[in-house]
Amino acid sequence: DTEVTQTPKHLVMGMTNKKSLKCEQHMGHRAMYWYKQKAKKPPELMFVYSYEKLSINESVPSRFSPECPNSSLLNLHLHALQPEDSALYLCASSQDLGSADTQYFGPGTRLTVL
Amino acid sequence: AQSVTQPDIHITVSEGASLELRCNYSYGATPYLFWYVQSPGQGLQLLLKYFSGDTLVQGIKGFEAEFKRSQSSFNLRKPSVHWSDAAEYFCAVGALRFGNEKLTFGTGTRLTIIP
Repeated sequence: DTEVTQTPKHLVMGMTNKKSLKCEQHMGHRAMYWYKQKAKKPPELMFVYSYEKLSINESVPSRFSPECPNSSLLNLHLHALQPEDSALYLCASSQDLGSADTQYFGPGTRLTVL
Repeated sequence: AQSVTQPDIHITVSEGASLELRCNYSYGATPYLFWYVQSPGQGLQLLLKYFSGDTLVQGIKGFEAEFKRSQSSFNLRKPSVHWSDAAEYFCAVGALRFGNEKLTFGTGTRLTIIP
């Protein structure tokens, strides 16, 4: 099973709202990732967790707050977002952190900020 | 730092025709190379990957890619495309950075299939 699930599929929120995106994998992977993808662009790395600890933060604004409650679950908390934050948010996981480890992607959450 | 170039933004191919998508990479050491496919509004699905060994790599859905170190290329091929192959294709290179992994993606090639 190489499945990464993400909820919700779609999310519409106002600039004053607080919402969360959820990502789950049951492959025993110890590295999990958040990417942001704008239309017609490649995914951009936001955060990387390794063994439930934040390993990489690609200078993401603090209105995005990641959380890794356990090895299977990754959340992205959203607060005071801007319309330019509207995008497809992708979660991925890999066995470990290493160039040879394949990243498996979820279907994404389509976020619209009004 | 590593980089990936996909020179073709958009390619149109007739159903049943052969396909080649180009990918060139820049990296100082042995690269780890990936091809992913993304259908509209969906996540990325891994087609194939190259780490070492045989330079011709077989993937899912009848795709293959050939690693050519002398040309810094990792082109994706399929002998006969199907309408369901219409999607966005991303080439990516993996490399260590400060002991962690970071995938660098190309800008993607959009594939259109005509009947």
